[in-house]
Amino acid sequence: EAGVAQSPRYKIIEKRQSVAFWCNPISGHATLYWYQQILGQGPKLLIQFQNNGVVDDSQLPKDRFSAERLKGVDSTLKIQPAKLEDSAVYLCASSLDASWRFDTGELFFGEGSRLTVL
Amino acid sequence: AQRVTQPEKLLSVFKGAPVELKCNYSYSGSPELFWYVQYSRQRLQLLLRHISRESIKGFTADLNKGETSFHLKKPFAQEEDSAMYYCALTTIKAAGNKLTFGGGTRVLVKP
Repeated sequence: EAGVAQSPRYKIIEKRQSVAFWCNPISGHATLYWYQQILGQGPKLLIQFQNNGVVDDSQLPKDRFSAERLKGVDSTLKIQPAKLEDSAVYLCASSLDASWRFDTGELFFGEGSRLTVL
Repeated sequence: AQRVTQPEKLLSVFKGAPVELKCNYSYSGSPELFWYVQYSRQRLQLLLRHISRESIKGFTADLNKGETSFHLKKPFAQEEDSAMYYCALTTIKAAGNKLTFGGGTRVLVKP
């Protein structure tokens, strides 16, 4: 079974520039998550989608970050304009269906996109 | 709000020695607890979850609601156990399976 796919794997930009990350979840997974992992810290949830609707975006810095999941499959996370503190690995994850009470709760992660802001 | 604390950033043990990774959480309801692991150059993956009460790769973890802890243990560490370990918590199903992670513990098993 194919895993969660993310691209690009690495991106270096200067502050105030923009960047976009793409994620393709496991086929059939209704729930998609974007996490931010700063060096030396655990992953922090930015946004959670159930199909193409947003479930939780309480920790998404909406002045500069945006995300969408058109058609309930692929997702894109955008940062515009980037700041130095946005340097991190951006992890995409998916799960079967978080709204289904028998869902096991297991998240499947992609390899991540490493962003360096200079 | 829920919080997960892993007090040790690094644990270094010799092969064959026991290893215990500490995890404490704060949440007023009934949480579900997980351990995720990231081996070198691999993606983050589930190791075990408390509701399964299973042993994976020799690791076990018991949820202690009185002490709000979910420590991960293995009686005889192997070199292949060297990795980053993250304790994580999720809450009621209605809120989805949003995971709150701890800061992680790096385990280094020396030969």
